[in-house]
Amino acid sequence: DAKTTQPNSMESNEEEPVHLPCNHSTISGTDYIHWYRQLPSQGPEYVIHGLTSNVNNRMASLAIAEDRKSSTLILHRATLRDAAVYYCIRIDQTGANNLFFGTGTRLTVIP
Amino acid sequence: DVKVTQSSRYLVKRTGEKVFLECVQDMDHENMFWYRQDPGLGLRLIYFSYDVKMKEKGDIPEGYSVSREKKERFSLILESASTNQTSMYLCASSFIRTSPLHFGNGTRLTVT
Repeated sequence: DAKTTQPNSMESNEEEPVHLPCNHSTISGTDYIHWYRQLPSQGPEYVIHGLTSNVNNRMASLAIAEDRKSSTLILHRATLRDAAVYYCIRIDQTGANNLFFGTGTRLTVIP
Repeated sequence: DVKVTQSSRYLVKRTGEKVFLECVQDMDHENMFWYRQDPGLGLRLIYFSYDVKMKEKGDIPEGYSVSREKKERFSLILESASTNQTSMYLCASSFIRTSPLHFGNGTRLTVT
């Protein structure tokens, strides 16, 4: 099963950190974890990805559990522009029996 | 920046028509993908291609076909459109299999 599991929705106050969880308990050793977000009326936008180690970029941080069965996307200071649907997916270099987006987590940012 | 361009933002077609959705990427990406997005169902993979003239079925290929004659262009074809194919269609591309996907802004197709 190539699916990931995310909560349907989360809320955060503006300027506070947000931790978005993702469960991928059946992940294989060659699967990368990718995160995307989708703003209204737009296609999904890449946020961050990683394999085993935690990753940081200008948009967010990605914390991957030691057993790789879960990960957390961290937005350090939520802004109103971060309100979007966030997707966690698995991408495997051996084939595309993953790339499963599901319904993601709808993040609401409260001013 | 990578640009993935979908030929139409909105499209209205009649049941039974043959429909072509075009997608072009400008960054010499190897891989291209077609998804559809429906409320409550998220994004579902229809077809993908890892090389020119190559195609693979995704999770929901029924009722669709694809064509990739050139590296930069990936077309989704609805041979005989039906109302249950009314949806938002999203095209994406990536450089190698594990690199980030870049999406177009989608084509909202209505079949009446």
